[in-house]
Amino acid sequence: QKEVEQNSGPLSVPEGAIASLNCTYSDRGSQSFFWYRQYSGKSPELIMSIYSNGDKEDGRFTAQLNKASQYVSLLIRDSQPSDSATYLCAVRNFNKFYFGSGTKLNVKP
Amino acid sequence: ETGVTQTPRHLVMGMTNKKSLKCEQHLGHNAMYWYKQSAKKPLELMFVYSLEERVENNSVPSRFSPECPNSSHLFLHLHTLQPEDSALYLCASSQDRSSPGNTIYFGEGSWLTVV
Repeated sequence: QKEVEQNSGPLSVPEGAIASLNCTYSDRGSQSFFWYRQYSGKSPELIMSIYSNGDKEDGRFTAQLNKASQYVSLLIRDSQPSDSATYLCAVRNFNKFYFGSGTKLNVKP
Repeated sequence: ETGVTQTPRHLVMGMTNKKSLKCEQHLGHNAMYWYKQSAKKPLELMFVYSLEERVENNSVPSRFSPECPNSSHLFLHLHTLQPEDSALYLCASSQDRSSPGNTIYFGEGSWLTVV
């Protein structure tokens, strides 16, 4: 298994704050990078994908990729209680996708 | 509705039973996957099928046997399982191509309890 590392958390932020989630990966051959959100008892759902160095913004979410440092991050602006979930980082190498163990985010009202 | 349907959603089986998990994707994808998710562990990639050919078998015990009869259907046959095999089993699909936008989509999962 290729390694994908995430801080398990929980990460607690107040409502309206910025939540910052981080991920590192070991396989330099990884081609694409993803953030999934998983609510308790549910399956993972895709939030964002990124494959070029730099930032990619989609609404309240910004993904950041630094291939030289093998680092991916996700920023959630104006965090809402409904954002409370586990966030999974994933990397793709051809047709194989490898996941981190996830960071649990709690957004407090 | 993700376009990937798994049945059954919940399964309780004894260690001597034989059962199967079923997955069907309606997304026109040509790669399908089985993942295992246990508490506090990363998603474990079990099997990958691309164009109905198994391209990955991640050291999974032989008591798990996958079958992919066509690009839309994937099964996981289970026999003589152990209690530690209790977990959420997730099926997923993707379009097998090298483009950066290739993304994986999950079904709702099958909760398996081995007693």
